[in-house]
Amino acid sequence: AQKITQTQPGMFVQEKEAVTLDCTYDTSDQSYGLFWYKQPSSGEMIFLIYQGSYDEQNATEGRYSLNFQKARKSANLVISASQLGDSAMYFCAMSALVRGTSYGKLTFGQGTILTVHP
Amino acid sequence: EPEVTQTPSHQVTQMGQEVILRCVPISNHLYFYWYRQILGQKVEFLVSFYNNEISEKSEIFDDQFSVERPDGSNFTLKIRSTKLEDSAMYFCASPRIPGYTEAFFGQGTRLTVV
Repeated sequence: AQKITQTQPGMFVQEKEAVTLDCTYDTSDQSYGLFWYKQPSSGEMIFLIYQGSYDEQNATEGRYSLNFQKARKSANLVISASQLGDSAMYFCAMSALVRGTSYGKLTFGQGTILTVHP
Repeated sequence: EPEVTQTPSHQVTQMGQEVILRCVPISNHLYFYWYRQILGQKVEFLVSFYNNEISEKSEIFDDQFSVERPDGSNFTLKIRSTKLEDSAMYFCASPRIPGYTEAFFGQGTRLTVV
């Protein structure tokens, strides 16, 4: 079984500053992937970044980076230079590798609401 | 153009009525997932569908729910007799091809049962 924990119900950040959203996970799977999604008030789920459990380097996608610490089972999202448009709900999720190559269902955390102040 | 399109975007239905939610991938996807998000809560897995059959389902996915791919492109979730607690956002998700790590989500269908 997989479990994702996001302990920050809400976070506030000043525009142009960096913010870290916490995510810890638990799994018995040997190979897995960690994902972050953004959900604005309009409701859609927007993929942000992915980290494979076997990846040695932390993933980066533009202003998003994933601070992956396997021993601590954490996969924190770092958003640099926050923008007003970053205000949204952020979900951490994970999935096990199935059939050796593809990913199965996603298990989500409870989410963190990020508010960016001007 | 989104990888996955869901219709309708919003549906209101009376308790006890049947609803069909639709998901259309832009290209030849093989894996499909349905998730549910009750307002303000986390996203929950319902069912996965691969090679035209259910590969896994959660305890939420009871006999009231069914999925099918009737014409090889559309992927549908049917709720036979809706209950008030079925009110939620329903997301279809699909990787582009096996091995791709991104699960593309549709924009969701907001179902309201009255």
